[in-house]
Amino acid sequence: QQPVQSPQAVILREGEDAVINCSSSKALYSVHWYRQKHGEAPVFLMILLKGGEQKGHEKISASFNEKKQQSSLYLTASQLSYSGTYFCGTPNAGGTSYGKLTFGQGTILTVHP
Amino acid sequence: KAGVTQTPRYLIKTRGQQVTLSCSPISGHRSVSWYQQTPGQGLQFLFEYFSETQRNKGNFPGRFSGRQFSNSRSEMNVSTLELGDSALYLCASSSPGQGTGELFFGEGSRLTVL
Repeated sequence: QQPVQSPQAVILREGEDAVINCSSSKALYSVHWYRQKHGEAPVFLMILLKGGEQKGHEKISASFNEKKQQSSLYLTASQLSYSGTYFCGTPNAGGTSYGKLTFGQGTILTVHP
Repeated sequence: KAGVTQTPRYLIKTRGQQVTLSCSPISGHRSVSWYQQTPGQGLQFLFEYFSETQRNKGNFPGRFSGRQFSNSRSEMNVSTLELGDSALYLCASSSPGQGTGELFFGEGSRLTVL
């Protein structure tokens, strides 16, 4: 089951904040966040694990609510370089194989000067 | 450290043909995954290989196949191409059990089926 991301798109001015949400109908063991700029490969941002452990970029924060089966990505004081499509991904049952991720449909973030 | 390399970057085929795409992972990475990206379906998992064994398979028809060699390089093959196979095919390598669990993606092979 594909996780659902919201919003589908967001437009910001530099310096503004944004929150991207990722919800799943199945139990989550971890949530993985990637950003893909136009014409480029997806790039890893962070992984959120059960129990609250977080690994990834220090300048981007996120939360993981296991009970609600949700994760949120917080982008503060946005910069032009934040523009791109953000994907959340969830591993298969058991969460043991990170090579197989089911990705959400993506959230397009556009930051204007 | 060299990144993930995919070849060819662009290719055009006609319906009914077959295609082979290649992926060279980051040195030392033994896991290679393949994803199909289309505007309508987004990023969809195809297969994952680890040490020459297919560890996971996505929900794609049997026309899609792959393999991994002893040097961890991987290939995927699509036979009897259909128009709907037009997509960006992304390969990602990782080193399970080490680091953050990050997938390192290549820039992809863009396949157009006419």
